[in-house]
Amino acid sequence: EMQLVESGGGLVQPGGSLRLSCEASGFTFGNYWMTWVRQAPGKGLEWVANIKEDGSEKNYVDSVKGRFTISRDNAKNSLFLQMNSLRAEDTAVYYCARVLWSQGYMDVWGKGTTVTVSS
Amino acid sequence: SYELTQPPSVSVSPGQTASISCSGDKLGDRYVSWYQQKPGQSPVVVIYQDTKRPSGIPERFSGSNSGNTATLTISGTQAMDEADYYCQAWDTSAAIFGGGTKLTVL
Repeated sequence: EMQLVESGGGLVQPGGSLRLSCEASGFTFGNYWMTWVRQAPGKGLEWVANIKEDGSEKNYVDSVKGRFTISRDNAKNSLFLQMNSLRAEDTAVYYCARVLWSQGYMDVWGKGTTVTVSS
Repeated sequence: SYELTQPPSVSVSPGQTASISCSGDKLGDRYVSWYQQKPGQSPVVVIYQDTKRPSGIPERFSGSNSGNTATLTISGTQAMDEADYYCQAWDTSAAIFGGGTKLTVL
């Protein structure tokens, strides 16, 4: 069974940092683009970042550029999101998802991890 | 930056047809996916590449995309279809989501 499990969320003060992880199983992780999508409380889905199979290409939504870094370790079947200079508006559930790039959609999603930025 | 616009809410009676629109500039030139999200759950794709259904998605879900508007259609809507629905397209390598539509089956 294909599965994605996120971890690393929690409560952090404004200006602080967190590192999210997403562990994949049930498929060859290194063959897929991966992405992070977030959802603020009571709000819609917002794409955050994605990364190519080999990590050679990374893309970010403007609001996180320079603060967040997406990375991956294919040997450990893991995706990461390093989040620095966190703001209240970064409060959300963060989902990792597998991207079927040639077909243009996200076909496997994790259950999400909650990040709360508050003093 | 590219934007997708959805109606905040749509209501439908059980057994009837629900249509959810998603509009964007020349959206028909892009592939659109649709995701269903029920409360407390992760999103699930119901339509990709405008019209295709992943395995396991009921035939009552269909999609179209032309001009500036993509449409998700649910025929014979069931109570279990009550959920939030999001359209999604790509702007080069960035994913763009619509604001979401809450489908109420009443």
